[in-house]
Amino acid sequence: AQSVTQPDIHITVSEGASLELRCNYSYGATPYLFWYVQSPGQGLQLLLKYFSGDTLVQGIKGFEAEFKRSQSSFNLRKPSVHWSDAAEYFCAVAPSGYSTLTFGKGTMLLVSP
Amino acid sequence: DTAVSQTPKYLVTQMGNDKSIKCEQNLGHDTMYWYKQDSKKFLKIMFSYNNKELIINETVPNRFSPKSPDKAHLNLHINSLELGDSAVYFCASSQVRERSYNEQFFGPGTRLTVL
Repeated sequence: AQSVTQPDIHITVSEGASLELRCNYSYGATPYLFWYVQSPGQGLQLLLKYFSGDTLVQGIKGFEAEFKRSQSSFNLRKPSVHWSDAAEYFCAVAPSGYSTLTFGKGTMLLVSP
Repeated sequence: DTAVSQTPKYLVTQMGNDKSIKCEQNLGHDTMYWYKQDSKKFLKIMFSYNNKELIINETVPNRFSPKSPDKAHLNLHINSLELGDSAVYFCASSQVRERSYNEQFFGPGTRLTVL
């Protein structure tokens, strides 16, 4: 069974600084990979996804993520964080051809002034 | 226009009661899901329905019974509520195609509190 690890429970970043949120997965083949964001009291919104092809994927709100097969990682990055980025971020995987999502436990991003 | 909607947004009830949460999607998707997010924010799939048929049923107590009257609706009925059922329940939908994965769109969640 696939699993997802987000090693950082919470991260604090200064506004304007760069951000990297870590995600590692365990799966026999290359899964479909996703990053979702959950703002306080809100549902989940898809930031970006990776199926195949270019390992650097661009998403909404200025986020990008890089798939590294050798490290089984799919880290999320943003060059300059805004206060409105403060939220919970979830990495998720799905087996190819199926729609079941397995989520990591999330990373809470705090943005300091 | 709301893509995936859930009612109610908040639900507070006593132990032992029976309650339902409704979900509707207007995206024309053929697959709908229920997820549970616990107090530690951990999200886990509960059920998945494709064209009104149950295709995924994770290890969930049989007090939880999903019902899909049509492709656009997936309701969750919970019998004999327990304290441990307190969580945020998210509905989602997607259009499943062979050899392809399609984005799941999530509803805003229903926060269930069992007293």
